[in-house]
Amino acid sequence: GQQVMQIPQYQHVQEGEDFTTYCNSSTTLSNIQWYKQRPGGHPVFLIQLVKSGEVKKQKRLTFQFGEAKKNSSLHITATQTTDVGTYFCAGPRANNLFFGTGTRLTVIP
Amino acid sequence: ETGVTQSPTHLIKTRGQQVTLRCSSQSGHNTVSWYQQALGQGPQFIFQYYREEENGRGNFPPRFSGLQFPNYSSELNVNALELDDSALYLCASSLEQGASRGGYTFGSGTRLTVV
Repeated sequence: GQQVMQIPQYQHVQEGEDFTTYCNSSTTLSNIQWYKQRPGGHPVFLIQLVKSGEVKKQKRLTFQFGEAKKNSSLHITATQTTDVGTYFCAGPRANNLFFGTGTRLTVIP
Repeated sequence: ETGVTQSPTHLIKTRGQQVTLRCSSQSGHNTVSWYQQALGQGPQFIFQYYREEENGRGNFPPRFSGLQFPNYSSELNVNALELDDSALYLCASSLEQGASRGGYTFGSGTRLTVV
């Protein structure tokens, strides 16, 4: 069945360092979505990418959708303590959204 | 404030009991999806409701059932609770069925503990 894997599973960075998480799907996706879940919180929608090779930016966050529409990445420049949380990618499968395994980001002040 | 309201926020049940969780979708959203999130895991799709009908189901047994009401609010029912059902249950509403446009708006979840 469809699998969406993310690497790394965990990442510890010093505040100010950059961070990247990668998302890989076993199948081609019509779109990819990214969510952030703060510790003890719920997933919050960040962005949706639809086009092959698409790149979108939100302040310090850069999202990219691969040319084959099977992988994606999220890059955070100069991390801040407010970036702490787990970042999930998610892709559609039938009538549901299938979440990746997530990358838990810890930012050390 | 997410616009999606779930109740209760926390619940403790005994193995074998039944539980009902409730969700009010965001205004204007006609589709509700339910997810189970075990500690340290990603959300796992349970089922989706669109126009009061089940519109897709994940790999969960029949003792997980649901309803959607005319006002698009929804319930998740779990019968014969097992210890492994302990998890955060998330409700997500969206503008349309499936997952092709826009993002899901999640509620704060119900933390269920089965003892």
